[in-house]
Amino acid sequence: EAQVTQNPRYLITVTGKKLTVTCSQNMNHEYMSWYRQDPGLGLRQIYYSMNVEATDKGDVPEGYKVSRKEKRNFPLILESPSPNQTSLYFCASSLSSTGAQRYEQYFGPGTRLTVT
Amino acid sequence: AQSVTQLDSQVPVFEEAPVELRCNYSSSVSVYLFWYVQYPNQGLQLLLKYLSGSTLVKSINGFEAEFNKSQTSFHLRKPSVHISDTAEYFCAVTKTYSGGYNKLIFGAGTRLAVHP
Repeated sequence: EAQVTQNPRYLITVTGKKLTVTCSQNMNHEYMSWYRQDPGLGLRQIYYSMNVEATDKGDVPEGYKVSRKEKRNFPLILESPSPNQTSLYFCASSLSSTGAQRYEQYFGPGTRLTVT
Repeated sequence: AQSVTQLDSQVPVFEEAPVELRCNYSSSVSVYLFWYVQYPNQGLQLLLKYLSGSTLVKSINGFEAEFNKSQTSFHLRKPSVHISDTAEYFCAVTKTYSGGYNKLIFGAGTRLAVHP
C-alpha cells in the first residue's frame, strides 16, 4: 500500500530532551516536507526537501533540524524541545519537486507531541 | 500578509442540507488552488485541485469548487452533505517568492460538522 508513515504517533517529553520523529514514504517521491498544525493557524511548513541531500527551511524552522540521506526517509529532529513546540506534526511527500505535482501532497497520519 | 483566508472556522449543518465553505486568496499569489480534507485523527488528503482550464472542478464524492479570479475566491460546495463528510477542510494556494520559488500555503481550516 502506498503510504507515508510517521513514528511515533504520540509523544510526551520534557523540555530539553532530544527527540526524533521519523517519516518514511514508499512511493519513490522526490519532494518531502514537514508541517506543524496549530489551532487557528492551519499548517505551517517547517522544512522541505527537493531530493536526497537537498533540504531547506520553511516558514517556521527555528528549533528543528532535518536530514535526507535516503530518498524514502525524512526525519525531524528537535535537539532541545521547548513547550512552544507542542503541536501536531505532519510529514508529507509528493512525486515531483517541480511543476504542479509538487503541491499534490500525500500526508502521514500525524505525530502529536507534547513538551512539558 | 496572509495569502489564504477561510472565512468560517466552523460550519454546522444538518444531513442532506447544502453547504458552502468559503476561501479567498490574496491577488499576489499564483493560481494553483487546492482543497484538502482531514478526517478525525488522520492526515490531510487532497480533495480537489484547480491548475488551469475549466474553472469548475469536482471531486469523486460530490464536492465541487469554482475558481473565481475576479473575486479571488475558491469556495467549496456540496448540494447534499452526509454524516461522513464531517471533517476539517483546508484551502491551499501556491505562492511565488522572490527568485521564482513556489510554495503551498494553507488556510486556517474550516471544521464541517454534519448533524443527523
